[in-house]
Amino acid sequence: QQPVQSPQAVILREGEDAVINCSSSKALYSVHWYRQKHGEAPVFLMILLKGGEQKGHDKISASFNEKKQQSSLYLTASQLSYSGTYFCGTEIEETSGSRLTFGEGTQLTVNP
Amino acid sequence: GAVVSQHPSWVICKSGTSVKIECRSLDFQATTMFWYRQFPKQSLMLMATSNEGSKATYEQGVEKDKFLINHASLTLSTLTVTSAHPEDSSFYICSVKRGSTSTDTQYFGPGTRLTVL
Repeated sequence: QQPVQSPQAVILREGEDAVINCSSSKALYSVHWYRQKHGEAPVFLMILLKGGEQKGHDKISASFNEKKQQSSLYLTASQLSYSGTYFCGTEIEETSGSRLTFGEGTQLTVNP
Repeated sequence: GAVVSQHPSWVICKSGTSVKIECRSLDFQATTMFWYRQFPKQSLMLMATSNEGSKATYEQGVEKDKFLINHASLTLSTLTVTSAHPEDSSFYICSVKRGSTSTDTQYFGPGTRLTVL
């Protein structure tokens, strides 16, 4: 079951904040976040496991609300380099062999 | 540095020919590799899970005889698109996992852009 990402696209000015959501209709075991720039491979950002985990690195952080079956990615004080398409990959069972199902992506554009 | 390499980066071929794409794990041995396909402005769609020393596990709707996967060693998996047609034109990306648990990161290769004329 493919997770649903929202919004589909967002345009920011440098320095502004953004939130990207990833929701599933099934109970999630883990959520993986990636950023992909045009014509390139996705780059790993972070993994969150069930249990209300929150993580962050620099000005990018994420949370995992297992009750809501949802994860959110927070980008604060956005930089031009943050532009790209963000994908969440979800794993619904621990024994699934870490088979990830990816959302449709959220296109983020940061303008000067 | 790069964790995963793919070769070639791009390929243009005529309809009906077969194309082989290589995926190499550079930093560690990978018992499992994944093959994805991505159409323009769309999501990553898992095609198959490649298991070293055994048959690949294909996702529903993916033709096993058309997309041949061989995981010959712990660092190399190949995807062969047989009798390619224009509708097979896409961005093919492989990924590898260092381990088998959910906490292990999945690293993606740089991708191979296939264009079938």
